[in-house]
Amino acid sequence: ELKVEQNPLFLSMQEGKNYTIYCNYSTTSDRLYWYRQDPGKSLESLFVLLSNGAVKQEGRLMASLDTKARLSTLHITAAVHDLSATYFCAVDGKSGFSAGGTSYGKLTFGQGTILTVHP
Amino acid sequence: DVKVTQSSRYLVKRTGEKVFLECVQDMDHENMFWYRQDPGLGLRLIYFSYDVKMKEKGDIPEGYSVSREKKERFSLILESASTNQTSMYLCASSLFRGYEGGGTEAFFGQGTRLTVV
Repeated sequence: ELKVEQNPLFLSMQEGKNYTIYCNYSTTSDRLYWYRQDPGKSLESLFVLLSNGAVKQEGRLMASLDTKARLSTLHITAAVHDLSATYFCAVDGKSGFSAGGTSYGKLTFGQGTILTVHP
Repeated sequence: DVKVTQSSRYLVKRTGEKVFLECVQDMDHENMFWYRQDPGLGLRLIYFSYDVKMKEKGDIPEGYSVSREKKERFSLILESASTNQTSMYLCASSLFRGYEGGGTEAFFGQGTRLTVV
């Protein structure tokens, strides 16, 4: 059974500081997604990482994937208040349905990291 | 833009009622999903469907059933609502791809906050 663990679960940062959120997963996968959720809202896709060594950047956020270590990181550079949200990673594990290992996009999510950026 | 629409934002139901949560997507996606979100537990998969009339149990299917009669619509049914089913319910959809075919990023609806009293 695929398990996905994020840490930290709570992160309080000062504006201007850097920090990293970690996402570890338990079985082989080379597809990982990061989502953002604002309070009371649904999930918004941030990054799609589809291979070992993939790195994506958008503004102050950068995500990377190391499939050998089964680890993805979401790095925050010079945090600003607008980045306050909950961040989820999700891993697309091979479905057991098909002997050929066809993926159905069955995503297993981490617990989420609640990020608060203070002035 | 992909649009996934859930029929209600907020619902209040009584214990023992049969509850229907509806979800419609407009991008011809093969896959559809129902997740439940609770604080500290992330999103947990209840059921998913990879084709019309096809479904598979997720991690927490007990007390739920689903229906997919048309490709664009996926319904979650609480047969007899209980207070421990009070939660945020999120529907999602994604394209079907073979494992070598690229990402299967899921797109989410706005969520239905269900309270069972």
